[in-house]
Amino acid sequence: ETGVTQTPRHLVMGMTNKKSLKCEQHLGHNAMYWYKQSAKKPLELMFVYSLEERVENNSVPSRFSPECPNSSHLFLHLHTLQPEDSALYLCASSQATGSSSGANVLTFGAGSRLTVL
Amino acid sequence: GQNIDQPTEMTATEGAIVQINCTYQTSGFNGLFWYQQHAGEAPTFLSYNVLDGLEEKGRFSSFLSRSKGYSYLLLKELQMKDSASYLCAVLDSNYQLIWGAGTKLIIKP
Repeated sequence: ETGVTQTPRHLVMGMTNKKSLKCEQHLGHNAMYWYKQSAKKPLELMFVYSLEERVENNSVPSRFSPECPNSSHLFLHLHTLQPEDSALYLCASSQATGSSSGANVLTFGAGSRLTVL
Repeated sequence: GQNIDQPTEMTATEGAIVQINCTYQTSGFNGLFWYQQHAGEAPTFLSYNVLDGLEEKGRFSSFLSRSKGYSYLLLKELQMKDSASYLCAVLDSNYQLIWGAGTKLIIKP
């Protein structure tokens, strides 16, 4: 496989469930991201990892917990979510962060569509 | 605050030309990106502008005016497959990407 792969593509969970989203990139990139995409709203950055170190956490509720075991894999662990957390969760990667160049170009996965009942 | 404005929705005819505008107010500027996102799919990179002027890439062109805080994406010879959302994003002085809400482009035969 090439590019950025996300699983599962669709997930329905109750508010008391625990689930995880998985992201894998085969591009040799050093930075990985989680974004939340809601209808008619700008993309919301949730977490950024650079060389497996978390460098950004945009005041995301603790019910979302990221994990980056290596530079190719990124997880988003979900626990006691709320209905307003229903959205498309996009994973992305880039060659680098903090650079005014093409190294900041993001390659996105197709997303995990999450529905919280 | 930081803000990116782009039209919510536009409609155009197959074979025609359409211009999607993006205006921004950000803390500094380190480049502007355009991405295309088909329904149910990943956003894909279209263009990156950091200097003023027009960048042409096949049927798509992107223009930037830093003094006006303005960019546009120009799509020529529209095809049905160009029906998608187009996302504008600016890299600010802290190298944070500020995103617009996207423009949904509908192409009619």
